[in-house]
Amino acid sequence: AQKITQTQPGMFVQEKEAVTLDCTYDTSDPSYGLFWYKQPSSGEMIFLIYQGSYDQQNATEGRYSLNFQKARKSANLVISASQLGDSAMYFCAMRPMNSGYSTLTFGKGTMLLVSP
Amino acid sequence: KAGVTQTPRYLIKTRGQQVTLSCSPISGHRSVSWYQQTPGQGLQFLFEYFSETQRNKGNFPGRFSGRQFSNSRSEMNVSTLELGDSALYLCASSLGGGDGYTFGSGTRLTVV
Repeated sequence: AQKITQTQPGMFVQEKEAVTLDCTYDTSDPSYGLFWYKQPSSGEMIFLIYQGSYDQQNATEGRYSLNFQKARKSANLVISASQLGDSAMYFCAMRPMNSGYSTLTFGKGTMLLVSP
Repeated sequence: KAGVTQTPRYLIKTRGQQVTLSCSPISGHRSVSWYQQTPGQGLQFLFEYFSETQRNKGNFPGRFSGRQFSNSRSEMNVSTLELGDSALYLCASSLGGGDGYTFGSGTRLTVV
């Protein structure tokens, strides 16, 4: 079984500052993928960044980077230079990579509010 | 390139009725997964279809069912609706081999 834990129900950050959203996971699968999604109030889940468990380098996508610490089973999302449009719910998710199944397990999410 | 299309966007149904939700994946994507999102339970996996076959199923009662057509479009059906079925239902499509997932905007179902 897989489990994702996001301990921060809400985070506040000022525009242009960096923010880290925490995510820890638990799995017995040797190979897995970690995802971060953004969900604005409209409801759509927007893919942000992906990290494979065997990737040597931390993933980066523009202002998003994933701080992957495998030994600690953590996959924190770092957003640099926050923008007002970053205000949304953020979900960490994972799936096993060897099973052939596409099931994502999600955390409870973190609500990020960016203030001017 | 068109994204994942879910219809309808909003639905209001009465307890005991049934409902059918539709999801059209990205062209070329053969896997379609369905998730239920509620404030209390968060995002929960319903089922996944790949090439018209149900490949995986979450822990939901038999009132929840789905299918996938030869063009990869998928439908999910909920029969005998209960108040607790009120949720945002999200559909995600992928190529099916462990790649990224693209979600639709969801169908918000309200059961009264």
